[in-house]
Amino acid sequence: DQQVKQNSPSLSVQEGRISILNCDYTNSMFDYFLWYKKYPAEGPTFLISISSIKDKNEDGRFTVFLNKSAKHLSLHIVPSQPGDSAVYFCAASVTGANSKLTFGKGITLSVRP
Amino acid sequence: DAGITQSPRHKVTETGTPVTLRCHQTENHRYMYWYRQDPGHGLRLIHYSYGVKDTDKGEVSDGYSVSRSKTEDFLLTLESATSSQTSVYFCAISQGQIGNTIYFGEGSWLTVV
Repeated sequence: DQQVKQNSPSLSVQEGRISILNCDYTNSMFDYFLWYKKYPAEGPTFLISISSIKDKNEDGRFTVFLNKSAKHLSLHIVPSQPGDSAVYFCAASVTGANSKLTFGKGITLSVRP
Repeated sequence: DAGITQSPRHKVTETGTPVTLRCHQTENHRYMYWYRQDPGHGLRLIHYSYGVKDTDKGEVSDGYSVSRSKTEDFLLTLESATSSQTSVYFCAISQGQIGNTIYFGEGSWLTVV
């Protein structure tokens, strides 16, 4: 049973436009959510996170929104740049659970120049 | 850089042979993890450690064992490699605090022929 779902395997957007990456989760115990970015042949790198006590967190061009009632979070990238082309993983954890992260399958973002 | 070194970075081995992957950290973080990444599956936790000699299983632990004799080193062993263990393996570390982020190494590419 997949607890973190990224249902769209890929997304293509035009440079300068907004990219919206979606993620759903089923475990109501999750209280911390993260996004990771991964380039080919490299390890995942941390992008942005949000605690369940918030509904929005912003860092530069990246904003994560959390809707607890819908068990849904989204990552907005504005404006999108070609260098943002990568695989993005959504992850979730339960505080106190040895900081283990449960990941979604990832979404491949392509930003067209 | 998160101060994580994985070795070897690339390895080709034959079915039935033992293989050990090493993860070394210089951050003195308490928690260490081994994940594998496969197409269509995202990142899945194999084993993790919450201290020296303290380890536990993740969601895909069958066929793998781990050891942690020092804070800085976490070893992943495939006792008898199978083709299904062909994958990219990522080591990760965290301090284990509330809302903590985990940081990944650059990966070890393992091919079992």
